[in-house]
Parts: sequence; structure tokens; C-alpha cells
Amino acid sequence: GQQVMQIPQYQHVQEGEDFTTYCNSSTTLSNIQWYKQRPGGHPVFLIQLVKSGEVKKQKRLTFQFGEAKKNSSLHITATQTTDVGTYFCAGPNYGGATNKLIFGTGTLLAVQP
Amino acid sequence: DAGITQSPRHKVTETGTPVTLRCHQTENHRYMYWYRQDPGHGLRLIHYSYGVKDTDKGEVSDGYSVSRSKTEDFLLTLESATSSQTSVYFCAISGGDSNQPQHFGDGTRLSIL
Repeated sequence: GQQVMQIPQYQHVQEGEDFTTYCNSSTTLSNIQWYKQRPGGHPVFLIQLVKSGEVKKQKRLTFQFGEAKKNSSLHITATQTTDVGTYFCAGPNYGGATNKLIFGTGTLLAVQP
Repeated sequence: DAGITQSPRHKVTETGTPVTLRCHQTENHRYMYWYRQDPGHGLRLIHYSYGVKDTDKGEVSDGYSVSRSKTEDFLLTLESATSSQTSVYFCAISGGDSNQPQHFGDGTRLSIL
């Protein structure tokens, strides 16, 4: 079945360092969504990418959607302690009903002050 | 945050007992979802609903049933709870299909002894 993989599973950085997480799908995606979950919290929608090669920025966060629409990345410049949490990518289910999202396993980011 | 309320927030129960979790929304969204979250597995879809009395299975539906008799309420039932169902359960809502972002409730932490 369709799989969405994320790497790394865990990343520990010093505050001020950059961070990148990668998302890879086994199938082409119509769109990719990114969510953030703070420790003890619930996932919160960050952004959606739709177009091939699309790049979007939210302050220090840069999101990219691959040309083949099978991979995506999230890059954080100069991390802060407020960036701590797990980052999930998610893509629509392929070949079945269109109303389901498949979530990646997530990347846990730890930021040391 | 979207108007989503999960109840209870925490529950401890014994193996073999029935358990029902409730998700209530005030957004009048058509789609509602139940996920479980376990370490190393990310978010896995249990069941979802695309309208009143319209439900479908997700990837980990065994041992779970759902009901949606009103737009605002989506119930998840464990008919006979097992220790493997110890998890954090999240409800999510969406105004559209998998091309639309999902908004999550605060979660229910369920422990089955």
C-alpha cells in the first residue's frame, strides 16, 4: 500500500542551527500537507503545497514540493526553542477514496538552548 | 483552534470492558476522523466519516467501531478493550476531502490494563 516515509526520525540541534526533515511518498501526490505537534499537544496544520516544484515560506520555515510530486522537505533556519516538536508530512490516499490522508511517521526535533 | 472537543481526556480501564470515546465539533464540517498515535507509528487512521451515517474503515480498524448520528458527533467504540489498544486517540475534522487540511482535537489518553 501507499507509504509516506520521513527522515530523520529524530534530530537534536543547538539553538541557532538549521534543521531539515524530508518526506518521501511511494506514489505521486496531488498535494502535501505539513503539521506540527508540540510535546503533549495535538497536530496543528502548517501548510499545504500543491504545485510541482512549489516553494513556500513562513518566517524561518521553508517548505518545498518536489518536481515529481513524490517528495517534500521542511527547512527551519536558525532554530529556536519554540520549534521543538514533531513535524509530520501527510499526503492523500492514492488509488482509493479521496478523503483520507496518509501521515508520515514524523521527525522529532529537539532544540538545546 | 477549531471547535473540537474530545471526551474523556483521560481514561483507565480494564481488558474486556467496552469503551466509547466522543468527538464533538461546532464547525459543521462534513468529514470527521479517528486516529491513534503510538511511538514509532505516527498517526494511523482508524475510521472516518464523510457524513451522517456514512463511515468507512481506515488502516487499523480491527477491534473498533464508529457511529455518526449527527453532524457534530462522532463516536469511537472499543467493544472489548485489549491492552494493544492503549494509545492516544485523536479526532480530526475537515471541511472537505483529503485535499483540505485537518484540524485536530486535544486527544484522549486511553490506558487498558
